[in-house]
Amino acid sequence: KAGVTQTPRYLIKTRGQQVTLSCSPISGHRSVSWYQQTPGQGLQFLFEYFSETQRNKGNFPGRFSGRQFSNSRSEMNVSTLELGDSALYLCASSFRTGTNEKLFFGSGTQLSVL
Amino acid sequence: GQQVMQIPQYQHVQEGEDFTTYCNSSTTLSNIQWYKQRPGGHPVFLIQLVKSGEVKKQKRLTFQFGEAKKNSSLHITATQTTDVGTYFCAGPGQGGSEKLVFGKGTKLTVNP
Repeated sequence: KAGVTQTPRYLIKTRGQQVTLSCSPISGHRSVSWYQQTPGQGLQFLFEYFSETQRNKGNFPGRFSGRQFSNSRSEMNVSTLELGDSALYLCASSFRTGTNEKLFFGSGTQLSVL
Repeated sequence: GQQVMQIPQYQHVQEGEDFTTYCNSSTTLSNIQWYKQRPGGHPVFLIQLVKSGEVKKQKRLTFQFGEAKKNSSLHITATQTTDVGTYFCAGPGQGGSEKLVFGKGTKLTVNP
């Protein structure tokens, strides 16, 4: 099975611009979560989508949004970029079996905002 | 809100020495997961513990879940250079607000 695929791998933007990141989950996984990783704050949860519906949302401003398509692929969008948005954005897919639900992470998109 | 604390933040060891990282949650957890992130890589699932007092081993790695299900530890025996990376613990979010709440991780470096 192919793993979680994230594109692009690297992105450089300037303040005020917007960006869209893409994530293709493992085949058969219907849940996709997004995390922001920074050296200071660690891994912070952005949101989770399941069957095209946002199931959970972290404590991020409305500039951060996402969506999921019928094939489970997901995108996240950040509008009006700020310098502090520079981070590694990780997407993770998962499949629940009973009480077990481990996350499979993609390689991430490294976003630099100048 | 729920917090998951990990200590130490950094640990540097000589190859062959043992290593332990500790994880504490502000709330009781239904389960706890451990992930490893190699330098420049992404987190990779290691294990999930569910039962109170549970101990699981993976070769040189020993994982424990506390009796109160609020703390956990990962112990590596006789570290090797391949153990280098950041180890994260994570617990389920409370009230459905978050998928998983991660600790900030323990970064392990191993001197050969």
